Amino acid sequence: QKEVEQNSGPLSVPEGAIASLNCTYSDRGSQSFFWYRQYSGKSPELIMFIYSNGDKEDGRFTAQLNKASQYVSLLIRDSQPSDSATYLCAVNKAAGNKLTFGGGTRVLVKP
Amino acid sequence: DVKVTQSSRYLVKRTGEKVFLECVQDMDHENMFWYRQDPGLGLRLIYFSYDVKMKEKGDIPEGYSVSREKKERFSLILESASTNQTSMYLCASSLPKTDTQYFGPGTRLTVL
Repeated sequence: QKEVEQNSGPLSVPEGAIASLNCTYSDRGSQSFFWYRQYSGKSPELIMFIYSNGDKEDGRFTAQLNKASQYVSLLIRDSQPSDSATYLCAVNKAAGNKLTFGGGTRVLVKP
Repeated sequence: DVKVTQSSRYLVKRTGEKVFLECVQDMDHENMFWYRQDPGLGLRLIYFSYDVKMKEKGDIPEGYSVSREKKERFSLILESASTNQTSMYLCASSLPKTDTQYFGPGTRLTVL
């Protein structure tokens, strides 16, 4: 079992719809959770992070964390073609600042 | 704005060559990281450093070494490049009390 798992996709979403991305992790001691966006040929850029159970909203993005079920999700509202990218979930293993990344979910937003 | 730069965007080397990849950050971050990214395998941590002259192995350190002589600079060294080290190499940095990592643009290394 991978430490951080994501569906590789592609997740195809019509423009204006909500994209829902999921990430599960295996280490119950994980403390912080991150979503990065990576355009093809580019480096990852941070979208948002979440530490506590529940929802955290930032513009069109909402991160949801459920530590009991060991999953974190990302919702993208009003999806735009510019949101087409690979989204990486990353988890801190509670020991220092090492992050463990999932394999990423590729999202395609179709006009 | 945090800026992390890497010495080359594209690099082509021959098997057996010694390869240096350099990373520089301008935000006085204590923590620096080297990853490689391969299709289907995601981002994997090679080495990281919490301070000058300090280094710790990540998940896949074999075949690599690192050097951190100055706070802003973290170098990845391939002692004897092999074809299986062809990959995208990404450097990142972060502050010590935060987990948020900022990435450089990456170096696509091809070993022939």
